[in-house]
Amino acid sequence: AQTVTQSQPEMSVQEAETVTLSCTYDTSENNYYLFWYKQPPSRQMILVIRQEAYKQQNATENRFSVNFQKAAKSFSLKISDSQLGDTAMYFCAFSNAGKSTFGDGTTLTVKP
Amino acid sequence: GAVVSQHPSRVICKSGTSVKIECRSLDFQATTMFWYRQFPKQSLMLMATSNEGSKATYEQGVEKDKFLINHASLTLSTLTVTSAHPEDSSFYICSYRVPDEKLFFGSGTQLSVL
Repeated sequence: AQTVTQSQPEMSVQEAETVTLSCTYDTSENNYYLFWYKQPPSRQMILVIRQEAYKQQNATENRFSVNFQKAAKSFSLKISDSQLGDTAMYFCAFSNAGKSTFGDGTTLTVKP
Repeated sequence: GAVVSQHPSRVICKSGTSVKIECRSLDFQATTMFWYRQFPKQSLMLMATSNEGSKATYEQGVEKDKFLINHASLTLSTLTVTSAHPEDSSFYICSYRVPDEKLFFGSGTQLSVL
């Protein structure tokens, strides 16, 4: 079974600064997908970014980028130029064969 | 991005009554969808996986007779909490899976059982 670990329950960052959220996972699979989802106070889950395991290039989506280290089974999320609207709970997720496993989440607070 | 409509957003009911939650994909079709339960400041707990036209697969510990799932079409699924009790109070979320493994989520339903 796959496991996803987010070791930072809570983090904070000043507006306009950069923050990195950590995620590690454990799997014996070679092909899979990794995701970051955010859940703002509205509780609507939103896809932030996706990484395919067979791609070495790190995914980027505007201010969001990942550092994918397949051998280390690490998948961190970097948020640049943090904005107040980035305040949310962030979930790292592993997906393979149609099934997703979520980490426990990191609550990020962006301070003005 | 794909839009998933989930309603009601909030429901309060008396103990012993049944509550139906509807989840609808508005601009796409997907064969597989999931129902989750979430407690405050915790992760999503998968309750069941549903494929259109077939019976749902429930996770261990989830009572299939209490949480009835109907996935009659590619765009509509319902979760009925039967004979609800206070311990069923929770935030329920649906999501659809598209071919590249992305998940699109409904906005959630906060169920409070008195």
